Amino acid sequence: QSALTQPASVSGSPGQSITISCTGTSSDVGTYSLVSWYQQQPGKAPKLMIYEGSKRPSGVSNRFSGSKSGNTASLTISGLQAEDEADYYCCSYAGTGTYVFGTGTKVTVL
Amino acid sequence: EVQLVESGGGLVQPGGSLRLSCAASGFTFSSYAMTWVRQAPGKGLEWVSGISGSGASTYYADSVKGRFTISRNNSKNTLCLQMNSLRAEDTAVYYCAKGVDIWGQGTMVTVSS
Repeated sequence: QSALTQPASVSGSPGQSITISCTGTSSDVGTYSLVSWYQQQPGKAPKLMIYEGSKRPSGVSNRFSGSKSGNTASLTISGLQAEDEADYYCCSYAGTGTYVFGTGTKVTVL
Repeated sequence: EVQLVESGGGLVQPGGSLRLSCAASGFTFSSYAMTWVRQAPGKGLEWVSGISGSGASTYYADSVKGRFTISRNNSKNTLCLQMNSLRAEDTAVYYCAKGVDIWGQGTMVTVSS
């Protein structure tokens, strides 16, 4: 149950696009299409931004998109805005009812 | 509207026990698996435990297996986490979640002498 690997930090200017990677193994990300992405603002509970790899919940901006290739999932934020500054976590189903989270990425809007 | 409200957190000594509860509303509770996730101060998220909609199947992270017990009462729309033999490293905010999508606001557990 090792954590999925994310970059510690990613930054971009307003209007730019950024991509956060989430690298797992063939036991989690590589096998299951059940990768979720969460946004966490300071002192708040995580908020679901992407589920099942690329689906957006109702109310989430279409500036957020998800994808997967092999053992790596990615979250792309296009048209970066100041309000996107937060911590982001990926999460993958890992079989037998278990899940594993990523190490987390701090997004800074320059 | 889905609501999840955790309670039961607090300060406990190492080796002690605590029981967390999560009151759910706004959805058909028995139809969904439920999850506990924790976050140590200044750290990332850690999946702790999950339970099927019926309660028949339970799952645990290696870090809590044998010490924590997840359960649910579908007639009362309540999820619980019984935590025994608590350690300093169990100090965290504990969140309950509907599946892994909608989360409560969390309850703080501090294990310290």
